[in-house]
Amino acid sequence: KAGVTQTPRYLIKTRGQQVTLSCSPISGHRSVSWYQQTPGQGLQFLFEYFSETQRNKGNFPGRFSGRQFSNSRSEMNVSTLELGDSALYLCASSPWTSTDTGELFFGEGSRLTVL
Amino acid sequence: AQKITQTQPGMFVQEKEAVTLDCTYDTSDPSYGLFWYKQPSSGEMIFLIYQGSYDQQNATEGRYSLNFQKARKSANLVISASQLGDSAMYFCAMREVNYGGSQGNLIFGKGTKLSVKP
Repeated sequence: KAGVTQTPRYLIKTRGQQVTLSCSPISGHRSVSWYQQTPGQGLQFLFEYFSETQRNKGNFPGRFSGRQFSNSRSEMNVSTLELGDSALYLCASSPWTSTDTGELFFGEGSRLTVL
Repeated sequence: AQKITQTQPGMFVQEKEAVTLDCTYDTSDPSYGLFWYKQPSSGEMIFLIYQGSYDQQNATEGRYSLNFQKARKSANLVISASQLGDSAMYFCAMREVNYGGSQGNLIFGKGTKLSVKP
């Protein structure tokens, strides 16, 4: 069974540009979450999607947005990039059933560098 | 507000020995879940073990066990018989309450970098 796939794995952008990151969840998983990881702030929750609807959102500015498609694949977009947006962006999927523990299955992340 | 604290930025352990990674949490919710994840240099977060707040027994998964002390609000990870491949960052996490329509996100600690010496 394929794991969570994130693309691209590495990318370099300049300030003011925008970026789109993609995440394909494990087959059958309907919930997708995004996290930002930086050395200073650690792992922080960005947003969660389920059945194409954003169900939960972290404390990030409106420059950060996301969406989920009918096949559960998800994308996140960051507009007007700032130096502080340099981070590892992790996507996680979950089956989200009544019996599971809520364990998240993570991808290897997309490492964004903003110059 | 819910919070996870990992007080050990880095730990060293000799191969084949056991090591305990500390984690304390703070929450006012009676229902919560606690997780430990391993993050090797590749970046992927690997799930290790889960403990529910109502679970009576400490969770175990192979060489991993969770020392759950509810009154002290601690959930320490114990790795037995350390292996070189255990060298990685380890994160303790807690799931927030399940708001209407949301599974609830994970709150992570800052992590502990474990180095296993041959």
